[in-house]
Amino acid sequence: GDSVTQMEGPVTLSEEAFLTINCTYTATGYPSLFWYVQYPGEGLQLLLKATKADDKGSNKGFEATYRKETTSFHLEKGSVQVSDSAVYFCALSDSSASKIIFGSGTRLSIRP
Amino acid sequence: DAGVIQSPRHEVTEMGQEVTLRCKPISGHDYLFWYRQTMMRGLELLIYFNNNVPIDDSGMPEDRFSAKMPNASFSTLKIQPSEPRDSAVYFCASSPGGRSYEQYFGPGTRLTVT
Repeated sequence: GDSVTQMEGPVTLSEEAFLTINCTYTATGYPSLFWYVQYPGEGLQLLLKATKADDKGSNKGFEATYRKETTSFHLEKGSVQVSDSAVYFCALSDSSASKIIFGSGTRLSIRP
Repeated sequence: DAGVIQSPRHEVTEMGQEVTLRCKPISGHDYLFWYRQTMMRGLELLIYFNNNVPIDDSGMPEDRFSAKMPNASFSTLKIQPSEPRDSAVYFCASSPGGRSYEQYFGPGTRLTVT
């Protein structure tokens, strides 16, 4: 079945460092891809999405490009801030069931 | 819009007691999802509804768990009897459906069973 694999955390970076969180997927058909973020004590929030191959989703300085040839959707940010500390989930749509399949999450901690 | 509303935000109960978690989805959303999140198991989909009808409850851990959606604006997740291993954060999410699969999450209910 469809699945998402993302890099295990925790990931610890210094402020202003470059961030990459890897995500690969397995899917039949042409899913939409998502990154969700969960700040401490809160529910998941949609960070960005891409609905077809070569689309780039972006929000709050974060970017991810839908790469069909490598089945990847890596999350990047050029300069992270302490406020970016959170858990990040990669996800894909399961069109056959109208639901989202989430990865296991990657915890990101940013040092001042 | 107020977003997805869940109540209570925190619940502490003793083993064997009945627990009811409540959710109000975003108005106009056709899908409602219940998730459980723990450190050990991560985020798990328990059950989801489309137009108030349960579609897939394969994630419900056992018969002690039940969920209902009596109308488009309200859903409950009930645990009876509760056990310490049910301690987790329970999230409700809703989605407009159609070609949009985006889900909007509530703030969660933190359940502690002692």
